[in-house]
Amino acid sequence: AQTVTQSQPEMSVQEAETVTLSCTYDTSESNYYLFWYKQPPSRQMILVIRQEAYKQQNATENRFSVNFQKAAKSFSLKISDSQLGDTAMYFCAFMKIAYSGAGSYQLTFGKGTKLSVIP
Amino acid sequence: DAMVIQNPRYQVTQFGKPVTLSCSQTLNHNVMYWYQQKSSQAPKLLFHYYDKDFNNEADTPDNFQSRRPNTSFCFLDIRSPGLGDAAMYLCATSTKPGQGARPYEQYFGPGTRLTVT
Repeated sequence: AQTVTQSQPEMSVQEAETVTLSCTYDTSESNYYLFWYKQPPSRQMILVIRQEAYKQQNATENRFSVNFQKAAKSFSLKISDSQLGDTAMYFCAFMKIAYSGAGSYQLTFGKGTKLSVIP
Repeated sequence: DAMVIQNPRYQVTQFGKPVTLSCSQTLNHNVMYWYQQKSSQAPKLLFHYYDKDFNNEADTPDNFQSRRPNTSFCFLDIRSPGLGDAAMYLCATSTKPGQGARPYEQYFGPGTRLTVT
């Protein structure tokens, strides 16, 4: 079974500053994806960024980037130029990739980090 | 815009009274999921449909059932809700290999917040 650990229950950052959210995971799988999802207050969860485990290059999406350290099983999210709209709960998630069909797509979430962007 | 829709957004039911939550999608995705998210906790997968194939998580209580009459709709039935079932219920969808450009990514609906009185 996989586990995902987010050690920072809450964080805050000043608007326009940079913040890094931590995530570690434990798995014996070699083929998997890692995700960061954002859940704003009272709004739906949306995907922020995805990383394939077989790729060494860190994923980036505009102001969001990850630091993927496969050997250390670490997957942190960096938010640059923080904006008020970044205020949300952020979930790190793991997905094992299996090609047999049923059961292939289970997301295992961490407990989340509540990020507040301060004006 | 293609999306995942959940109705109702808020549902109040009485202890022991059956309740059904619905999810519909216009994404034409093959896979649909139901998650339970209790306050300040991570979403927990209850079950998912891979096309018409139903996949139940081992620790999902028998009190929770699901139906998927067609590709677009999926229902979550709670046969006898208890106070511990009060939570946000999230529906999500995803493609499968060969269907779309970005498989495995899950698209979430806004959720239904269930209150049990």
